[in-house]
Amino acid sequence: DAGVTQSPTHLIKTRGQQVTLRCSPKSGHDTVSWYQQALGQGPQFIFQYYEEEERQRGNFPDRFSGHQFPNYSSELNVNALLLGDSALYLCASSFMGQAIYNEQFFGPGTRLTVL
Amino acid sequence: QQQVKQSPQSLIVQKGGISIINCAYENTAFDYFPWYQQFPGKGPALLIAIRPDVSEKKEGRFTISFNKSAKQFSLHIMDSQPGDSATYFCAASSGGGSTLGRLYFGRGTQLTVWP
Repeated sequence: DAGVTQSPTHLIKTRGQQVTLRCSPKSGHDTVSWYQQALGQGPQFIFQYYEEEERQRGNFPDRFSGHQFPNYSSELNVNALLLGDSALYLCASSFMGQAIYNEQFFGPGTRLTVL
Repeated sequence: QQQVKQSPQSLIVQKGGISIINCAYENTAFDYFPWYQQFPGKGPALLIAIRPDVSEKKEGRFTISFNKSAKQFSLHIMDSQPGDSATYFCAASSGGGSTLGRLYFGRGTQLTVWP
């Protein structure tokens, strides 16, 4: 049973560029949440997707957008990259039917470096 | 505003000793409190979690103690081993409402276990 997978592993971009990160949830999961983890900090919630819709959003600008596909996989897009966007981007999956238990499983992350 | 406050920032323990990490929260709507373990370059891995209806949960060498009235919870690692050296994050979430499924993380504790 594959866990949460993310691609790519590492990414280097320059300021102003756009980036797309991808996530495949754990088998049986239907909800994907994205988190940003700056160096030395705890993960910060970006947004959550369920039934192909953004259900809730953290305190991140509109430059951050996402999408969920019918197979539950998800993309995170960041436009107009800033140096401060350099971080580890984590995808977490869960099953909404057991939302009250809220067990979220994280992928290995994508390390984004903005130069 | 940090929803979950974690201490200490770093912890050094001798092999065989007890590691204790503490967290505090303010939002009484939180009803799920997980701990995650993260190794360098990896995503957070769910270690153990507790709900407010119990005061303690034990899984192997890991124990969560929960004090609902004080709004505090802690992780105890018994017989600490060098392989436990990692960063530990406490988190909290609500099982309902507009923030369903959103995890709020502490800043993390870097644990080093000396052989």
